[in-house]
Amino acid sequence: GAVVSQHPSRVICKSGTSVKIECRSLDFQATTMFWYRQFPKQSLMLMATSNEGSKATYEQGVEKDKFLINHASLTLSTLTVTSAHPEDSSFYICSARGSGVLQETQYFGPGTRLLVL
Amino acid sequence: AQSVTQLGSHVSVSEGALVLLRCNYSSSVPPYLFWYVQYPNQGLQLLLKYTTGATLVKGINGFEAEFKKSETSFHLTKPSAHMSDAAEYFCAVSGDGTASKLTFGTGTRLQVTL
Repeated sequence: GAVVSQHPSRVICKSGTSVKIECRSLDFQATTMFWYRQFPKQSLMLMATSNEGSKATYEQGVEKDKFLINHASLTLSTLTVTSAHPEDSSFYICSARGSGVLQETQYFGPGTRLLVL
Repeated sequence: AQSVTQLGSHVSVSEGALVLLRCNYSSSVPPYLFWYVQYPNQGLQLLLKYTTGATLVKGINGFEAEFKKSETSFHLTKPSAHMSDAAEYFCAVSGDGTASKLTFGTGTRLQVTL
């Protein structure tokens, strides 16, 4: 139980284009989803927290207009990297938290590797 | 405020040897503590967690960790390392009782040698 998927697993795009990454909770309802960014050989950096049906809360230093987050349903959140640039290349990981006992843990997706050329 | 310190960015053990990965935390409230494992190019998999109750927590793949409040530690151990244990391990703390905001350590890369 508590499985989270991400799509795509890997994406290559040209500079200036936008990229959408999907995060889905497959077997539970995710009241909260989180988006992280991980640079090579580093820890995870929280970018934003999103609750279903409300605006995302961004961490300090994260541009909300560049990293658009939508959490339209209890099983789906999307991260759109707008006007991507090479410095946006990174590993993006989402996690989800449910209700009840499932709110005690964040369950992570497999990650999406973004390469901007 | 909360923080996590993982001592040793890289640990190497022989197959069959004891694995000990260190984690110390700080939290102004009773913490929830987690260990996650990350294999190359993959997301994080929960190994085990401490919320309340028994301070010795058993997880998957033979790992366990002990919450020691007096030492503010949550070290991860496994009696006998296996080659498949080679991965990156992250300790994390949440200070609000609902895993709403995790603070991660910098990670420890475990290498297992023959």
